[in-house]
Amino acid sequence: EPEVTQTPSHQVTQMGQEVILRCVPISNHLYFYWYRQILGQKVEFLVSFYNNEISEKSEIFDDQFSVERPDGSNFTLKIRSTKLEDSAMYFCASSDRVEEKLFFGSGTQLSVL
Amino acid sequence: AQSVTQLDSQVPVFEEAPVELRCNYSSSVSVYLFWYVQYPNQGLQLLLKYLSGSTLVKGINGFEAEFNKSQTSFHLRKPSVHISDTAEYFCAVSEGTGGFKTIFGAGTRLFVKA
Repeated sequence: EPEVTQTPSHQVTQMGQEVILRCVPISNHLYFYWYRQILGQKVEFLVSFYNNEISEKSEIFDDQFSVERPDGSNFTLKIRSTKLEDSAMYFCASSDRVEEKLFFGSGTQLSVL
Repeated sequence: AQSVTQLDSQVPVFEEAPVELRCNYSSSVSVYLFWYVQYPNQGLQLLLKYLSGSTLVKGINGFEAEFNKSQTSFHLRKPSVHISDTAEYFCAVSEGTGGFKTIFGAGTRLFVKA
């Protein structure tokens, strides 16, 4: 089965630094998403992306966050100035139709020190 | 706005026993419902989904769920669990109007004991 690929699997950064989390969605998918999961807590929606623009975003997705699809294959999440509370597992997901299932990557564990 | 409530944070059960993981949702419009499973150190995988039609939905690994519109529930069941079913289970909902986000419940940790 095709997979969503995320890199790196672990990222450690200092507070205030910028990080970019990378994802390669499944090639024929059109809808892209970022979710995060703080340790022991629920999976939280951050943002959805379709047709080269943000479709929806949550309250968590403030001005410190941005997403980009720089080419035909990558989908990135940038956090401009990381805070301690940004420490979480970040999951990328994609789907070929908006009502269909999400295919998740294995996640990037972000640790902000 | 839609929301999802998973009523049990942890469910311990003995191997080969039946299990039910409960999920209730709220939404002002029609919804699509999903159950995902997360094994340790992995991403989420779809177990089953309800889009329309029959209210009893069968998924992978012997799991099934029943959509009950009047009770706004979508409980997950398995008649006989295995040790390998130990994982975190997430109920999720997306709006049927073409909403671009899927909202997840807090998860239920299923722990299968020998």
